[in-house]
Amino acid sequence: QSVLTQPPSVSAAPGQKVTISCSGSSSNIGNNSVSWYQQLPQTAPKLLIYENNKRPSGIPDRFSGSKSGTSATLGITGLQTGDEADYYCGAWDSSLSAGVFGTGTKVTVL
Amino acid sequence: QVRLVESGGGVVQPGRSLRVSCAASGFTFNSYGMHWVRQAPGKGLEWVAVIWYDGSKKYYADSVKGRFTISRDNSKNTVYLQMNSLRVEDTAVYYCSRDARYGDCLDYWGQGTLVTVSS
Repeated sequence: QSVLTQPPSVSAAPGQKVTISCSGSSSNIGNNSVSWYQQLPQTAPKLLIYENNKRPSGIPDRFSGSKSGTSATLGITGLQTGDEADYYCGAWDSSLSAGVFGTGTKVTVL
Repeated sequence: QVRLVESGGGVVQPGRSLRVSCAASGFTFNSYGMHWVRQAPGKGLEWVAVIWYDGSKKYYADSVKGRFTISRDNSKNTVYLQMNSLRVEDTAVYYCSRDARYGDCLDYWGQGTLVTVSS
């Protein structure tokens, strides 16, 4: 079972903004970097955000990340139909000595 | 460009074994840690295992510890996942991914290989 908790779904109209929360603990988010992944339907996940708030080359600045304490947040502005996907947060858990992912959030563009 | 190609998936009976492979290209393989992540049908991502760039350290999810073994052959640019005592709940798409070496993230992913455990 997932150690990191996310809302099952979020939705908004095109052009609007959505935020996705990711709640963990001191052994993972609290003391390690958070990353975010986008999984479009029937495709492999893709790195979206690393080190809490950095974007890999090619990821538009509509995507942003932040972290505070044992929680992290992914923001998507200027929502597009192409953003409809599942989003996962991830981190290393120092107590488990294991990687952990969030429960996943489905983004729907209304 | 970085490319990760998984192979070896298929249908296997409960209790049997299977080995999946991931062939890497486009980067200096022996400088990167490698992970396996799986996704059961209709479910979320589950981290499975990681192996250090030189094979010196390996870590596993509790759900597979003692049954699965991750290994690598740096001369063949390939990482493996040996799966023993398979259970129905191990049915999933298995992805290999590269450790980015910064920020504990996975920067490249393969397309996945489907493992179905069924009698």
